[in-house]
Amino acid sequence: DVKVTQSSRYLVKRTGEKVFLECVQDMDHENMFWYRQDPGLGLRLIYFSYDVKMKEKGDIPEGYSVSREKKERFSLILESASTNQTSMYLCASRPLGTKNTGELFFGEGSRLTVL
Amino acid sequence: AQKVTQAQTEISVVEKEDVTLDCVYETRDTTYYLFWYKQPPSGELVFLIRRNSFDEQNEISGRYSWNFQKSTSSFNFTITASQVVDSAVYFCALSLYSSASKIIFGSGTRLSIRP
Repeated sequence: DVKVTQSSRYLVKRTGEKVFLECVQDMDHENMFWYRQDPGLGLRLIYFSYDVKMKEKGDIPEGYSVSREKKERFSLILESASTNQTSMYLCASRPLGTKNTGELFFGEGSRLTVL
Repeated sequence: AQKVTQAQTEISVVEKEDVTLDCVYETRDTTYYLFWYKQPPSGELVFLIRRNSFDEQNEISGRYSWNFQKSTSSFNFTITASQVVDSAVYFCALSLYSSASKIIFGSGTRLSIRP
């Protein structure tokens, strides 16, 4: 089975802290995604990575950066956390061979609270 | 612009009732894909179904069925004889063949099945 693992299920950070959210997938998928989920807003794309070292901004990239040094790992970085970044963060992956038609495989999410 | 609307924020039914979750989408692309995902309390979104824009055949999988109508831009999901395990948040999503990263999610419908 495809497994997408997010390093932390729950995090509590203080305003101004640097936050790292890690995501690892074990199925050699090229595409990886970071979404943010908020009530009433659904899932909004923060960043997308086509492949190693390749990234594309999503709909809400402000305040976030990403790193994809290895194919299996996609990290989301909050350089200076703010209270409006309190949210559920979801990582997902997808194989390139599906030509954009394939379903996403999601991790269990990381619920971040910024105080 | 692309958009997915799930007008039903929350639905609550008694076990064994049938329930339909509505999804209306907007896109000018002619090739696209529609998805339904289920998010149980554990948090991990799980893929349920994919439909491409050229295939309007309805689909049934056990107690689940999907009705895709291009004329009304709708892709509705029906659960027959609902069960408590069906309680979850359900997301409808639209993926454009023209863009690897463009996957638009609806805001989700929270379904509660009461015993």
